[in-house]
Amino acid sequence: QKEVEQDPGPLSVPEGAIVSLNCTYSNSAFQYFMWYRQYSRKGPELLMYTYSSGNKEDGRFTAQVDKSSKYISLFIRDSQPSDSATYLCAMKDNYGQNFVFGPGTRLSVLP
Amino acid sequence: ETGVTQSPTHLIKTRGQQVTLRCSSQSGHNTVSWYQQALGQGPQFIFQYYREEENGRGNFPPRFSGLQFPNYSSELNVNALELDDSALYLCASSLGRPLIDTQYFGPGTRLTVL
Repeated sequence: QKEVEQDPGPLSVPEGAIVSLNCTYSNSAFQYFMWYRQYSRKGPELLMYTYSSGNKEDGRFTAQVDKSSKYISLFIRDSQPSDSATYLCAMKDNYGQNFVFGPGTRLSVLP
Repeated sequence: ETGVTQSPTHLIKTRGQQVTLRCSSQSGHNTVSWYQQALGQGPQFIFQYYREEENGRGNFPPRFSGLQFPNYSSELNVNALELDDSALYLCASSLGRPLIDTQYFGPGTRLTVL
């Protein structure tokens, strides 16, 4: 079992839809949770950062962490064609030096 | 833009050669991490440098080595290149211990090994 799992997609939605992206993980020590957006042939861009459990909202984006289920989500409201990208989740414990990434979900928002 | 820069953008090498990739961290960041991202995969941690010392290493062989300089810029060196080393190499900078909570990535160097 991989440490972080993510449905690779591709996920296609119409413009304006609500998108739900998810990751599951196996390491209960993870405390820091990140969502990155990566356009084709570019470096990942940090979207959301959450420490421990709970929700965080930033504009059209909402991140949720459920540590009891080892499950994190990213919701995108009013999705736009410019949101078309690969979305990577990443997480870390309190002591490790590196972040563990999921394989990414490829999202296409169709006009 | 994150302020993290990498050079070169693209590189083509042949099997057995050596390569050096460079990274300039975001201003104020003293920690740099290097990742390898194969096509269709998430980034895999190679190693991290904090104040010029290696501070953690992933599951990569010793032919992957690095340096961090006093100005916190960094190099990744790969010896005896193999075909499987073809990937996007990303560096990410962060504030470092004890505040290492987020990382900011550069645009990456795409390495092709023929």
